[in-house]
Amino acid sequence: KQEVTQIPAALSVPEGENLVLNCSFTDSAIYNLQWFRQDPGKGLTSLLLIQSSQREQTSGRLNASLDKSSGRSTLYIAASQPGDSATYLCAVESTSGTYKYIFGTGTRLKVLA
Amino acid sequence: DGGITQSPKYLFRKEGQNVTLSCEQNLNHDAMYWYRQDPGQGLRLIYYSQIVNDFQKGDIAEGYSVSREKKESFPLTVTSAQKNPTAFYLCASSSSGTVNEKLFFGSGTQLSVL
Repeated sequence: KQEVTQIPAALSVPEGENLVLNCSFTDSAIYNLQWFRQDPGKGLTSLLLIQSSQREQTSGRLNASLDKSSGRSTLYIAASQPGDSATYLCAVESTSGTYKYIFGTGTRLKVLA
Repeated sequence: DGGITQSPKYLFRKEGQNVTLSCEQNLNHDAMYWYRQDPGQGLRLIYYSQIVNDFQKGDIAEGYSVSREKKESFPLTVTSAQKNPTAFYLCASSSSGTVNEKLFFGSGTQLSVL
């Protein structure tokens, strides 16, 4: 059964720092991995989707990489800003089973001004 | 603006009561989903629908029911059989429900038990 883990659960960094969020999954049979942002009490916003054949995707200050064979993905945030403070979740779409995306529990990021 | 609208934002349920959460989308998406989010846990799939008048159970469907009579609407009923309904409920949609599609989410409904 696919399991998705995000460590650490919470992270505080000073403004301007480059940072990396981690996501690991147990079954490499996936179609894609998607990174989301969630603000407190709000829904999720899709940031980046990396298909299984891709190694990375970039959007602005965000860069996500995927190493399917090792079951890992990272989300790199460059020059962090207080507005980046949120919970970041990753989710994988497995090729087995019918339950669509399996979500991690998220990393709660706080960028200090 | 296109998007997903969930209502109400907050909902309180009394013992033995059924309550219905609304989800409406104007993205012209075929697939819609309901997730439950508990503190410290990942999102768990309750039900999903890839087409009008058809839906499938997810991981935690017991105590919940849905309907999909219109493409735009996918209401979720939390029945009295759901003994621990307090959670944040999220509705989502994707274009056709096939692989490699981005998920779009509503802003959620917080359900609490009185």
